[in-house]
Formats: sequence, structure tokens, C-alpha cells
Amino acid sequence: AQTVTQSQPEMSVQEAETVTLSCTYDTSESDYYLFWYKQPPSRQMILVIRQEAYKQQNATENRFSVNFQKAAKSFSLKISDSQLGDAAMYFCASGSGNTGKLIFGQGTTLQVKP
Amino acid sequence: DGGITQSPKYLFRKEGQNVTLSCEQNLNHDAMYWYRQDPGQGLRLIYYSQIVNDFQKGDIAEGYSVSREKKESFPLTVTSAQKNPTAFYLCASRFQQGPYGYTFGSGTRLTVV
Repeated sequence: AQTVTQSQPEMSVQEAETVTLSCTYDTSESDYYLFWYKQPPSRQMILVIRQEAYKQQNATENRFSVNFQKAAKSFSLKISDSQLGDAAMYFCASGSGNTGKLIFGQGTTLQVKP
Repeated sequence: DGGITQSPKYLFRKEGQNVTLSCEQNLNHDAMYWYRQDPGQGLRLIYYSQIVNDFQKGDIAEGYSVSREKKESFPLTVTSAQKNPTAFYLCASRFQQGPYGYTFGSGTRLTVV
């Protein structure tokens, strides 16, 4: 069975600082993808970044980057120059390349302090 | 604009009643998914469909039913057999091929009264 674990229920960061959210996963699939989603108070799920597991290069999207350690099954999200609008619940997810099923972690609530 | 629409935004169910949540997409996506979100928890998969007229159970399918008669539509029925249906329900869709993430709807909040 696939599992995704986020061990940090809550995190806080000062505005303009950098924060890293942790995620570990376990999957038996050879073809899979990893995602970070943001859920603000509106509860709309917003894709932050995605990583193809077969790619060694870490994905980056502007201020967001990941540290993908395939052997360790680790997929952390780094947010640089944190902004007040980054405050939200962040979910790590592992997706099957075959069925497209996403398995989500429990989420990390990020607070950004002005 | 293309997107995925869930309705209604809020839904109230009486004990013993079946209710249906609507999910429609105009993105030409092949696959559609239903997730349930409870407070303090991540999303859990209820059902998914990769092609029309076919669907598969997810991790928590008991007490729910779905249909996929059209590519654009994937309604979810919460039956009276679902003992704790109060939750936030999210529908999502994606192309079957490729690493693309989901497009999510804005969700339906279901409350038992």
C-alpha cells in the first residue's frame, strides 16, 4: 500500500524567511509522481509543484523548490522569501502513473508571521 | 474558461436520506476522482473513474456510489449506509496520460442534520 507521511502538523515562518516542509512516502509502484498542494482557507486545492520520480533533477517553481531523495523516499518542499499569502495547509501527495490515484499526507499548516 | 464545477457548495442531509453531489468538467479530462476531507486529516479517495462507464473503489467506498455515463460528469451519491457523512467532498480530474496533477473543484460541504 502507498503511504505519505507529513510529520509536521504545524510550522511557522517569518515573512521573507525560508521554510522547509517535510514529507516521506512509500510506494510499490515504479511509475509514480510526487506533488505538493496548497489549500488556503477557501479550501480550493492549488498545485504548488510536481516531480516526476524518474527525474533526478529537483523541480523548482519560482520561490518553491523540492529536495527529492528517491532512495530515502523523501520529498521536502522549500519556500523561499515567504509571503503572507503562503499561509495555508500544505499537502504532500504521491500519484500512481497507472491509475492516477493520489495518496495524500495529513497536511502541514503553515503560518507566516509579519 | 475550462474548469471543474461542483454543486451545491453546501448540502444538508437528513438521517436515512440519500443525497447526490454533482461534479462536471469541461477540460476533456479522461479520469475523475472523488475525495473526502475530514478536519485535521488529508484527503481520502472514495471512487475514481479512468474512462466512461467504468469506475473503481478507492480506500473508503463503503456507503457511497458513483456513475460515469458521460466523460464530463461524475456524480457521487452518499447513501444512508454511510454512517458518518459529514465532511468536505472534493472532485478532481486529470488527463489519463502524463504527470499532470489534478484540477480540483471548489468542493461541497455536506452536513447531516
